Amino acid sequence: DTEVTQTPKHLVMGMTNKKSLKCEQHMGHRAMYWYKQKAKKPPELMFVYSYEKLSINESVPSRFSPECPNSSLLNLHLHALQPEDSALYLCASSQDIQAGWITGELFFGEGSRLTVL
Amino acid sequence: SQQGEEDPQALSIQEGENATMNCSYKTSINNLQWYRQNSGRGLVHLILIRSNEREKHSGRLRVTLDTSKKSSSLLITASRAADTASYFCASVNQGGKLIFGQGTELSVKP
Repeated sequence: DTEVTQTPKHLVMGMTNKKSLKCEQHMGHRAMYWYKQKAKKPPELMFVYSYEKLSINESVPSRFSPECPNSSLLNLHLHALQPEDSALYLCASSQDIQAGWITGELFFGEGSRLTVL
Repeated sequence: SQQGEEDPQALSIQEGENATMNCSYKTSINNLQWYRQNSGRGLVHLILIRSNEREKHSGRLRVTLDTSKKSSSLLITASRAADTASYFCASVNQGGKLIFGQGTELSVKP
């Protein structure tokens, strides 16, 4: 069982909708991540939060907007998405980041499967 | 750009056989990690090997690291049907980000 919880598990939305993906961890980790994964491909890094501050944004389009309300929660707000944004969105956490570098293992949630119509 | 490349892309073996997956990376690393992903699920961390280590074991898993060749291998001994999954190596690139290889899809037939 994963200690990183993602909701919803499945989401279908139209291109004009606004929705959010949520992620929660209670392991006391101070770094949290969003990855995007297309079928048969590896996860691609989108955002990294370290101590509740955005530390890495991998040139993700502004229709994806991350938010870290506190050290346990990470949201990904979605607006005006395109069909090609359909994918599995994975949240992960790690103990911390040292000097901007990921040094330890990541703990992943089960993902939110997003379909954009 | 992807940090790691893996081969084979797909591997099919019988239960009880060993499975070996290889990973190559491009830049200097602090550590290299292996993850497993069951179909449609999240990734599970298997093992982390640091750049100053050459070999590491965890149960039926054995990971080697050759920093001179910029490569790593994952060996699963006495495979089981439950080992069927995709396996990814991941390394931290020069930007401090954990980047995944293309993955190996392992199928273990009972």
